[in-house]
Amino acid sequence: SAVISQKPSRDICQRGTSLTIQCQVDSQVTMMFWYRQQPGQSLTLIATANQGSEATYESGFVIDKFPISRPNLTFSTLTVSNMSPEDSSIYLCSVGSGENNEQFFGPGTRLTVL
Amino acid sequence: AQSVSQHNHHVILSEAASLELGCNYSYGGTVNLFWYVQYPGQHLQLLLKYFSGDPLVKGIKGFEAEFIKSKFSFNLRKPSVQWSDTAEYFCAVNGDSGTYKYIFGTGTRLKVLA
Repeated sequence: SAVISQKPSRDICQRGTSLTIQCQVDSQVTMMFWYRQQPGQSLTLIATANQGSEATYESGFVIDKFPISRPNLTFSTLTVSNMSPEDSSIYLCSVGSGENNEQFFGPGTRLTVL
Repeated sequence: AQSVSQHNHHVILSEAASLELGCNYSYGGTVNLFWYVQYPGQHLQLLLKYFSGDPLVKGIKGFEAEFIKSKFSFNLRKPSVQWSDTAEYFCAVNGDSGTYKYIFGTGTRLKVLA
């Protein structure tokens, strides 16, 4: 299984600012994903981070709000732009690995927007 | 549209009690099914998975789950829980063949009393 780290682990931010979350994997992986877990809710897929091309966003998520970079096969960033309190969530990256569509998750970034 | 339902949001058990957490999904095709666990302060870990074959799958730490296709269910069981099983449990479905897209249930928060 892949070892995944995220930075920062948590942050408290002011409304209107932006935060970039980093995800680092210890091996090269094709598929990387970003999820959001709002308080008391389940995980929701934000987008698939594609290496060398634009991310693929799920319904309800747009690039202007959640720009994603994927410069290589071990690293990705998610930016939460122009934040509001509704963006307070845990943001997780995950990687797909193996022939059976398994995903492995990072530790998450707990974001609080004041 | 695919969906996953976990009916028990909070469960409190005494040590040595038996556990069954319900998971029902809505999807007409072939599915891959997963249970993930998130211990306090830790990241999501894969507990067990079903892709094909024997519908009764065994995972780590004495957990098992049974896939019942006719009921669209994948319930998680453990005959005797321990205090260390206190965690949040997520059921997930991957129904898009060839992709890693998961649909997660809302999670069940289990508290085991010593």
